[in-house]
Amino acid sequence: KAGVTQTPRYLIKTRGQQVTLSCSPISGHRSVSWYQQTPGQGLQFLFEYFSETQRNKGNFPGRFSGRQFSNSRSEMNVSTLELGDSALYLCASSLGGQEIGYTFGSGTRLTVV
Amino acid sequence: GENVEQHPSTLSVQEGDSAVIKCTYSDSASNYFPWYKQELGKRPQLIIDIRSNVGEKKDQRIAVTLNKTAKHFSLHITETQPEDSAVYFCAARGPGGNQFYFGTGTSLTVIP
Repeated sequence: KAGVTQTPRYLIKTRGQQVTLSCSPISGHRSVSWYQQTPGQGLQFLFEYFSETQRNKGNFPGRFSGRQFSNSRSEMNVSTLELGDSALYLCASSLGGQEIGYTFGSGTRLTVV
Repeated sequence: GENVEQHPSTLSVQEGDSAVIKCTYSDSASNYFPWYKQELGKRPQLIIDIRSNVGEKKDQRIAVTLNKTAKHFSLHITETQPEDSAVYFCAARGPGGNQFYFGTGTSLTVIP
């Protein structure tokens, strides 16, 4: 069974630009969560989508947004990029209920210059 | 919301020794506590988990204990090996849904 697929793996953007990251969850998983990982802050929760609806949201500015499609694939968008947005963005999928933990994707390494 | 604290931030042990990582959580309603291992340049992977109705769980050389009264849980790795070197994250799932709150990670180094 295929794992969680994130594209692209690496991205370099200029401050002020916007970026879209993609995540395809494990087949059958309806929940997709996004995390920002930085050396100083660890894993910070961005948001969770379940059946195309945002179910939970972390404490990030409105520049960070996401959506989920009917096939459970999810995209995350960051507008007006800042240098501090440089991080590893991890997507995690699960069935969406109270069962077990996530399966993470390999992440997208975003560098803002 | 939930707040998870993890200690220590770095840990070095000799090969064959035991390693213990501790986490505390703030929301007594949290009901599920997974541990993830992240090797350098790789994704976090679930290594063991425990539910709030269980006090201890073991899987070969790793074990997790949970003290609901004190609101803390710990990861124990026995007979450590160099391949155990990684960053370990604890997490707690809040009662409201599928959101996990992560600790800040422990970088474990096993010295051969």
